[in-house]
Amino acid sequence: QQPVQSPQAVILREGEDAVINCSSSKALYSVHWYRQKHGEAPVFLMILLKGGEQKGHEKISASFNEKKQQSSLYLTASQLSYSGTYFCGTEKTGANNLFFGTGTRLTVIP
Amino acid sequence: EAGVAQSPRYKIIEKRQSVAFWCNPISGHATLYWYQQILGQGPKLLIQFQNNGVVDDSQLPKDRFSAERLKGVDSTLKIQPAKLEDSAVYLCASSSIAGGMTDTQYFGPGTRLTVL
Repeated sequence: QQPVQSPQAVILREGEDAVINCSSSKALYSVHWYRQKHGEAPVFLMILLKGGEQKGHEKISASFNEKKQQSSLYLTASQLSYSGTYFCGTEKTGANNLFFGTGTRLTVIP
Repeated sequence: EAGVAQSPRYKIIEKRQSVAFWCNPISGHATLYWYQQILGQGPKLLIQFQNNGVVDDSQLPKDRFSAERLKGVDSTLKIQPAKLEDSAVYLCASSSIAGGMTDTQYFGPGTRLTVL
């Protein structure tokens, strides 16, 4: 039931873009995205509900395709502060549990 | 607004010993979660409370783990006896709306447990 994230790790230079993908084998009701810096608690970025919506948070946006059971997180014009591990958390349709992926480690270098 | 508080921040114990973690959620938040995060993995839900009651504890190893949330506010997670594989960060999170996983979850700083 754990979603699969790709890539596992990515290194960017400041100003470059990245896409992080999250896919599930189960029908999804919602997808949550979090960022966790080393030694710190996960910090909420956004929630996407079924309906194929897309959301934005500054230069970070995400989409959710419920038919494909996939979500993607888009980071544009990356900044040093974007470094961290990004987790997607998925909620299955009809369930009340949130399952987190194994994470994508993003490193932004000058 | 004060965030989710957890204590202790770090704990080192030997296997077969017992340990307890404490969590104080954001004031007014009805739902409280305990997660286990093993190094290099995503958080795994152990138990979810809504006010005083347990909503989901299907992934809680009940032979050694227990949790309670008295008076619908603070919560304690206990491990007895601890095993080496329990080494992890234990995260507490809370959300404001009772029921449903589509609410924003706010995480505490976590307790890093090392079992020797």
